[in-house]
Amino acid sequence: DGGITQSPKYLFRKEGQNVTLSCEQNLNHDAMYWYRQDPGQGLRLIYYSQIVNDFQKGDIAEGYSVSREKKESFPLTVTSAQKNPTAFYLCASSRGTAVYEQYFGPGTRLTVT
Amino acid sequence: RKEVEQDPGPFNVPEGATVAFNCTYSNSASQSFFWYRQDCRKEPKLLMSVYSSGNEDGRFTAQLNRASQYISLLIRDSKLSDSATYLCVVNGVDSSYKLIFGSGTRLLVRP
Repeated sequence: DGGITQSPKYLFRKEGQNVTLSCEQNLNHDAMYWYRQDPGQGLRLIYYSQIVNDFQKGDIAEGYSVSREKKESFPLTVTSAQKNPTAFYLCASSRGTAVYEQYFGPGTRLTVT
Repeated sequence: RKEVEQDPGPFNVPEGATVAFNCTYSNSASQSFFWYRQDCRKEPKLLMSVYSSGNEDGRFTAQLNRASQYISLLIRDSKLSDSATYLCVVNGVDSSYKLIFGSGTRLLVRP
């Protein structure tokens, strides 16, 4: 089955710890994205990557970092510098070099206490 | 002004009703438009793309009005399973890859 996987589904961390969220796709899509969603709010773009070894900041990149060493993988690290890390994190991918629809993974719910 | 604006609802309708949602977008240069559906605590899923001439997929019809910069979604013969949040999505023109998501309109279909 082709798709996007994210792990884990739920993640709990103590304040001050860095945490890395996994995102893998086997759709052969070029572009990948990370969003965060807070209760009752829309999706906000954190980072995106158009090709391997290249990525750009989205609207709320502060306190986050990413890498894109392989086409299939786009991990997100939530650092201790992120002020309000508790949220629902969604990874997405899309094909090609134009605007295409994005397909989402099931998401990771991160709770930091 | 938000880049993509939607009425948050909720729209509470009986089964079998017809319901319509509107969405306005701020950038007249936007070229790509989509409707996504998001169930509670789940990821958004693509419902349909919106084409200039309007398009239909079963009970769902999407329309685009470029002059007024709004997009609509019509759902006919509502089912209980249509209960969800519907997200209006428009491409960002500062980057060809960037999509701007509205906050969503919540639909509740009652028996």
